[in-house]
Amino acid sequence: DIQMTQSPSSLSASVGDRVTITCRASQDIRNYLAWYQQKPGKAPKLLIYAAITLESGVPSRFSGSGSGTDFTLTISSLQPEDVATYYCQKYDSAPQITFGQGTRLEIK
Amino acid sequence: QVTLRESGPALVKPTQTLTLTCTFSGFSLSTGGMCVSWIRQPPGKALEWLALIDWDDDKYYSTSLKTRLTISKDTSKNQVVLTMTNMDPVDTATYYCARLREGSGNDYWGQGILVTVSS
Repeated sequence: DIQMTQSPSSLSASVGDRVTITCRASQDIRNYLAWYQQKPGKAPKLLIYAAITLESGVPSRFSGSGSGTDFTLTISSLQPEDVATYYCQKYDSAPQITFGQGTRLEIK
Repeated sequence: QVTLRESGPALVKPTQTLTLTCTFSGFSLSTGGMCVSWIRQPPGKALEWLALIDWDDDKYYSTSLKTRLTISKDTSKNQVVLTMTNMDPVDTATYYCARLREGSGNDYWGQGILVTVSS
């Protein structure tokens, strides 16, 4: 099975900072990569799909990049409401879907 | 408006079979490209994908759990059912169902249902 490895596992940044979270696949997954934001007690929310496509309604400070095995989620200017855990996900309908282990983002 | 809602028991005993139902609206699982996934999250831990069923009734399972899982759909009722056999306390988790459009990730999620496995 393809493994998804996120880094860092946690980070703390100041409001206004540029924040980057990386996700590495153990094999080429082309662009079948999504990013999710999960706040405590809530279901995950889709932010980015197809590695770079912003889901409708998601603020433009979120962006995604990468293809193949290396991917990045960037928050251009961190806001207090961005405190959450972020997950990458390798997806397609055949045959396996895998999540990364998550990155917990806090405000300094 | 797309909505999904999970239903099922909040408490099951070890060795029992868990049956969860996802009832959805706002889309049809007979439309090409549409899929529904089940995903779980143990308390304080990461998300874990369990199973997926697509518009063509193809079914996919987590490698580590496939011997215990069965996913099915009733298109007329807009429901997807997941069964998990031989439940264990380590299966205690919030279970989510979520829509997946082919190529687009899980764009709509249910609120989740906490299932506790305990005698």
